[in-house]
Amino acid sequence: GAGVSQSPSNKVTEKGKDVELRCDPISGHTALYWYRQRLGQGLEFLIYFQGNSAPDKSGLPSDRFSAERTGESVSTLTIQRTQQEDSAVYLCASSLVGQGYGYTFGSGTRLTVV
Amino acid sequence: AQSVTQLGSHVSVSEGALVLLRCNYSSSVPPYLFWYVQYPNQGLQLLLKYTSAATLVKGINGFEAEFKKSETSFHLTKPSAHMSDAAEYFCAVGMDTGRRALTFGSGTRLQVQP
Repeated sequence: GAGVSQSPSNKVTEKGKDVELRCDPISGHTALYWYRQRLGQGLEFLIYFQGNSAPDKSGLPSDRFSAERTGESVSTLTIQRTQQEDSAVYLCASSLVGQGYGYTFGSGTRLTVV
Repeated sequence: AQSVTQLGSHVSVSEGALVLLRCNYSSSVPPYLFWYVQYPNQGLQLLLKYTSAATLVKGINGFEAEFKKSETSFHLTKPSAHMSDAAEYFCAVGMDTGRRALTFGSGTRLQVQP
């Protein structure tokens, strides 16, 4: 597609439930990134994919968080046993190889855990 | 290691006044530097980027930023603010070695008063 697509745009879930967030990057962008943005705060790095491998998972906050990517395409971020502190906007971005290109961001998924 | 500091979480200017948003970075290698803008309920949009070419970088919507190595700064400016510039602005730093994810500042919310 023309841009980075994320779904759902909004998700309300009960504490303790699992959620899956989806990111569809720009075609040809081999790098894919997940960030989290809590209300009123900056962007917190979660994980980076190059192709379908994840050379940097250092930002995942706990083992409840996991992510996978199919080839150089769709990525899914899964949060198990959600907690209220997981409430945030989850942003996905993609780019060509090399940080000099910068990212193209999706519109994000707003996750609310009640 | 790399980090970004944005001075001032909120900046308010009058319409037509100069906009100055401050960003200082630290990086162990020559950096790539970016400014992104986030309008309400949207993802982040690239405003401009510095990738070791000209130190004065021009971006979209009349914004520009100057890379000053001696001051480790990359401040964002616009000569005359418009109401439509009201948004949150994020500075980010990256480097092409080691960890490949961009590091973002905590953001500066720009208000434009009529």
